[in-house]
Amino acid sequence: GAVVSQHPSWVICKSGTSVKIECRSLDFQATTMFWYRQFPKQSLMLMATSNEGSKATYEQGVEKDKFLINHASLTLSTLTVTSAHPEDSSFYICSARVDTGELFFGEGSRLTVL
Amino acid sequence: AQSVTQPDIHITVSEGASLELRCNYSYGATPYLFWYVQSPGQGLQLLLKYFSGDTLVQGIKGFEAEFKRSQSSFNLRKPSVHWSDAAEYFCAVGALQGAQKLVFGQGTRLTINP
Repeated sequence: GAVVSQHPSWVICKSGTSVKIECRSLDFQATTMFWYRQFPKQSLMLMATSNEGSKATYEQGVEKDKFLINHASLTLSTLTVTSAHPEDSSFYICSARVDTGELFFGEGSRLTVL
Repeated sequence: AQSVTQPDIHITVSEGASLELRCNYSYGATPYLFWYVQSPGQGLQLLLKYFSGDTLVQGIKGFEAEFKRSQSSFNLRKPSVHWSDAAEYFCAVGALQGAQKLVFGQGTRLTINP
């Protein structure tokens, strides 16, 4: 199957700093990628749909200025958590859609804000 | 709006026993239905999916699921579980067309007793 890779796998940062998480489709091109957030022992919550070459579409209640998404190429989408605070600590997962419509997920990135 | 309910938060079965994880969905059109498995600290792996056709679908690792439209259910089954099946299982529903956003259930944590 298709491979989606996230980097970094885990990151620790100080409160007030910004953190960038990358999501790459390694062996296919993805015009659409999705970013999810998962709290401990909870389900995945869709944050936004990342569209190559255009602005991301954010779900209701997600701050677009807080969570900046850039999909500059067909194989890379980035999520930047700006001015991170402890409540932003979470597991962030991306997924990418292949031509058949199937979604493949990255390994996830665990963010801890001190 | 689409929604997914997994009634069982945590299930414990003995190794070698059969397994059934429940999933009920609410969706106004023809649904895409998925089952994913997540190991601790990892991303999601697709077990199986239903788009159309035969309502009994076979997946990886010996799992199968049956789509029952009359009951709005898509339960996951395995005849004989292995210790390596211990993980979190998520049912998800998505649109047949469009951006392919997925809505996930709350997840069911599976514990295997030796």
